[in-house]
Formats: sequence, structure tokens, C-alpha cells
Amino acid sequence: DAGVTQSPTHLIKTRGQQVTLRCSPKSGHDTVSWYQQALGQGPQFIFQYYEEEERQRGNFPDRFSGHQFPNYSSELNVNALLLGDSALYLCASTPRRAGANVLTFGAGSRLTVL
Amino acid sequence: AQKITQTQPGMFVQEKEAVTLDCTYDTSDQSYGLFWYKQPSSGEMIFLIYQGSYDEQNATEGRYSLNFQKARKSANLVISASQLGDSAMYFCAMREENSGGSNYKLTFGKGTLLTVNP
Repeated sequence: DAGVTQSPTHLIKTRGQQVTLRCSPKSGHDTVSWYQQALGQGPQFIFQYYEEEERQRGNFPDRFSGHQFPNYSSELNVNALLLGDSALYLCASTPRRAGANVLTFGAGSRLTVL
Repeated sequence: AQKITQTQPGMFVQEKEAVTLDCTYDTSDQSYGLFWYKQPSSGEMIFLIYQGSYDEQNATEGRYSLNFQKARKSANLVISASQLGDSAMYFCAMREENSGGSNYKLTFGKGTLLTVNP
């Protein structure tokens, strides 16, 4: 049973470019969240998707946007990249039901902005 | 606003010994959940243990236990019988749980790097 899978694992972009990161949730999970983890820091919540809609959002600018597809997979898009966007981007999934406490994380996509 | 503080940037422990990783939190919410995750160098966050704010007993999961002291707002992780494979970053996190189970935002601390020596 595959867990959360993310792609690509590593990528390098230059300032001003746009990037798309992809996430497939664990089988049986329908809710996807995205987190940004800067070097030496804990992850920070970006947003969460359920039923193809953004349901919660953290303190991130509109340059960060997302999408969820009917098969529950998700994309994170970042426009007009800044050097400060360099980070590990983690995707997490969970089933949306009462008592579903635990987020299952993927291994992340490491973005370097030059 | 919720806040998690992990005051130990790094900890060392001898193999087979027990170690305690500190976590204090700040919240005005009455209902919340506390989590510990392990992050090896591969990057994946691995769930270890969960404690609800209304749980009267400390949570345990195998070699992991959570020392929950609500009045002191602390949620320390205790790892018994440390193994070399326990070497990793450990993150404490919390989540407000007043929303009928629909809140998926975790607030993380900065983490503690645990090194297990042979």
C-alpha cells in the first residue's frame, strides 16, 4: 500500500519563474494539505484541499495556489519565485472523517531558487 | 495564536538508554491535539504519537510515551531503550480541535535533533 507520493523530489528554478509540485495521497485518503519547511525550521501550513476546493489557508501570499483533482491528487503552484521560497514542500493526506487525527506525510519536494 | 516551543536544538543519548525531548505549547483553545513526528534525513515526517487535550492518561505507542502536563502546558516525548535508528529530527506539533474534526492545520515547533551514540 503506497503512502503519500510527491514529485519531483528535487528541482532548481530561478527567481521569477513558476513551479508546480505534485502529490498523490495515500490510498483511502481524500484530504490533502501542503506545508513549507525552510531549512532549520518546522513545517508551516500553506493550505488544505477537500472535494477539489481550498478549505483552509495559512499565512501565505496569493503567489501560492493549489488544485485538487477528482482522484484526490493535488498540485501546488508557486508563481514569481523568490529566493525565500527555497524549501522542502511537504504534502500530507488524511481521510476526512471524525477521529481521523493523523496526517500522513510524503518525503517532500526540495525546491531551490537561484 | 498557537505556539510550540522546543528548547533543545540537539540532544545526545547512548544506545539503549531513555531520552526525553521537551515541548511546551501556548494556546487559548480548550480542545486541542498534540503530536510528535520524526523526520529522518530522507525528509518524510513519520507520525509517532498523539495526545488529546481531554485525554486523562498519557499516550503510549511502543517505545514512545508522551508526558502530558496540561497545567504546565508541556507535552514531552520520552523514548525508551534508544536505538541507532532513532537518530533524526523530532518535531512537536499541535492542532486546534474545536471545528468538529475539520481542522487540518498543524503548528510545528523548530525541532530537536536527536543523535543516538553506539
